[in-house]
Amino acid sequence: EAGVTQFPSHSVIEKGQTVTLRCDPISGHDNLYWYRRVMGKEIKFLLHFVKESKQDESGMPNNRFLAERTGGTYSTLKVQPAELEDSGVYFCASSPNRGSTNEKLFFGSGTQLSVL
Amino acid sequence: LAKTTQPISMDSYEGQEVNITCSHNNIATNDYITWYQQFPSQGPRFIIQGYKTKVTNEVASLFIPADRKSSTLSLPRVSLSDTAVYYCLLTYSGGYQKVTFGTGTKLQVIP
Repeated sequence: EAGVTQFPSHSVIEKGQTVTLRCDPISGHDNLYWYRRVMGKEIKFLLHFVKESKQDESGMPNNRFLAERTGGTYSTLKVQPAELEDSGVYFCASSPNRGSTNEKLFFGSGTQLSVL
Repeated sequence: LAKTTQPISMDSYEGQEVNITCSHNNIATNDYITWYQQFPSQGPRFIIQGYKTKVTNEVASLFIPADRKSSTLSLPRVSLSDTAVYYCLLTYSGGYQKVTFGTGTKLQVIP
């Protein structure tokens, strides 16, 4: 069974540019999460999809970040325009939906974003 | 959401048993205790989860006292490949509540 895959693994862009990160969850997993860790800080929750709907986007830093999950399959996270403080590792995770978040999360390997 | 507290770092020699304790004084009735492991350049990986008493799997054991205000992750006979960051989380079983990570414990296994 394929795991959670993220693309690209690394991205280096200049301040002001746009970057789109992609996450393919495990097939059949309704829940999809985005997390982020900036240098030296904790892994922080960004948002949670249940199928194609945003269940919780309370962790999104600002309106420069846009997440989508069209059709309830893969998800994209777009940062436009990117700022220096957006640098970090962006993780995606998925889980089946059994009605609670007390489920095992399956994480991808992350996308290392560097904004110069 | 109730928070957890765990040591920032620990060192251990190969072959020893490692115990990492996590404090969660404000744990709620519907909270489970869940541990994740993270290697460099990888995402966190689920290790073990429990509600009370003791849980054991092929990777680790989890000890939870009756008051549930703390828990201990036990890794038997660690090897160099167990060097990683270990996160203790409280996960809510009563419906939706976002999962948050703390600082974790960086375990360094020494040859």
